[in-house]
Amino acid sequence: GQQVMQIPQYQHVQEGEDFTTYCNSSTTLSNIQWYKQRPGGHPVFLIQLVKSGEVKKQKRLTFQFGEAKKNSSLHITATQTTDVGTYFCAGPLTGGGNKLTFGTGTQLKVEL
Amino acid sequence: DGGITQSPKYLFRKEGQNVTLSCEQNLNHDAMYWYRQDPGQGLRLIYYSQIVNDFQKGDIAEGYSVSREKKESFPLTVTSAQKNPTAFYLCASSTGGTSYQPQHFGDGTRLSIL
Repeated sequence: GQQVMQIPQYQHVQEGEDFTTYCNSSTTLSNIQWYKQRPGGHPVFLIQLVKSGEVKKQKRLTFQFGEAKKNSSLHITATQTTDVGTYFCAGPLTGGGNKLTFGTGTQLKVEL
Repeated sequence: DGGITQSPKYLFRKEGQNVTLSCEQNLNHDAMYWYRQDPGQGLRLIYYSQIVNDFQKGDIAEGYSVSREKKESFPLTVTSAQKNPTAFYLCASSTGGTSYQPQHFGDGTRLSIL
């Protein structure tokens, strides 16, 4: 079945270092969404990418959708302690209407 | 404020007992979803509903049941057939229609076995 994998599973960084998580789908996606879940919290929608090769920025966060629409990345510049949490990508299931398949997630820890 | 309310926040289940998790939304969303999250894991879809009085099984529906009698409400029952129910349960909603709509999540219910 359709799978969405993320790497790395965990990442520890020092505050001020950059961070990148990669999302790879076994199938072509019409769009991809990114969510952030703080420790003990619930996932919160960050952004959606639709076009091949699309790049979007939100302050220190840069999101990219691959040319083949099978992969995506989230890059955080100069991490801060407020960036701590787990980042999930999610893509629509093939023929699944409005259902999403969530990636395995990347847990980010930021140390002072 | 518009949002999704899940209750209770914590729930304990005895062996052989069915328990029901509540999910209410006032966002006027058509679609609602239930996910299960195990520690350090991603979200797995249990059931979803795209419209009132209709719902479909997700990837891990065995041992769970749902109803969608009202647009605002999508309760999840964890039955005694679910042998490993300890997890974090998240309810979500979206405007539905297509996968281009973001999902909005409730605060979740943590279920444990006594």
